[in-house]
Amino acid sequence: EADIYQTPRYLVIGTGKKITLECSQTMGHDKMYWYQQDPGMELHLIHYSYGVNSTEKGDLSSESTVSRIRTEHFPLTLESARPSHTSQYLCASSGPTGNGANVLTFGAGSRLTVL
Amino acid sequence: KNQVEQSPQSLIILEGKNCTLQCNYTVSPFSNLRWYKQDTGRGPVSLTIMTFSENTKSNGRYTATLDADTKQSSLHITASQLSDSASYICVVSDRGSTLGRLYFGRGTQLTVWP
Repeated sequence: EADIYQTPRYLVIGTGKKITLECSQTMGHDKMYWYQQDPGMELHLIHYSYGVNSTEKGDLSSESTVSRIRTEHFPLTLESARPSHTSQYLCASSGPTGNGANVLTFGAGSRLTVL
Repeated sequence: KNQVEQSPQSLIILEGKNCTLQCNYTVSPFSNLRWYKQDTGRGPVSLTIMTFSENTKSNGRYTATLDADTKQSSLHITASQLSDSASYICVVSDRGSTLGRLYFGRGTQLTVWP
């Protein structure tokens, strides 16, 4: 049973539309992340959060924005979608394991297609 | 430049056979190495995580090894099943920040045929 939920799973929209990808986790994790993944390529970190009211940009420049008003919720917003935003977006959260290493738990992903 | 390289890029095997996937990394300072399994259209799922002091770890039919001296890891799958068809991603974490930055490989796409 997944403990991190992403909606929508699939979204096809026209250029210029505003979209929000939802991500919620029930594990009480402080750290949450958004990754972008294209076919056959590695995951790229676009946003992360240490906790409520904390958001940072990741390694890959992105025109999207995020917010963290509640621990369990980390939505990603695109104000004006373009075809270059077509990709798979993966949300993740992390909490410490017994050896102190943070292990990521991923959601199922949101596949965005912008026409 | 910190990198994670995986080989082969893709692999096809018959059901019941064993296989080994490779991961070479240059990430420094090293903290831990993880292997994830990603089914098509899904998010990655953690298989194993190993720290500097660990050189082997098993999870059912999956066995990961780590040689921190040569900066190499392998994932061995025993008696493959059709459900093993997926992308296997090697992820290395450094100790350079509180967040523990993660470096992702591009994955090995494994296909198991009946």
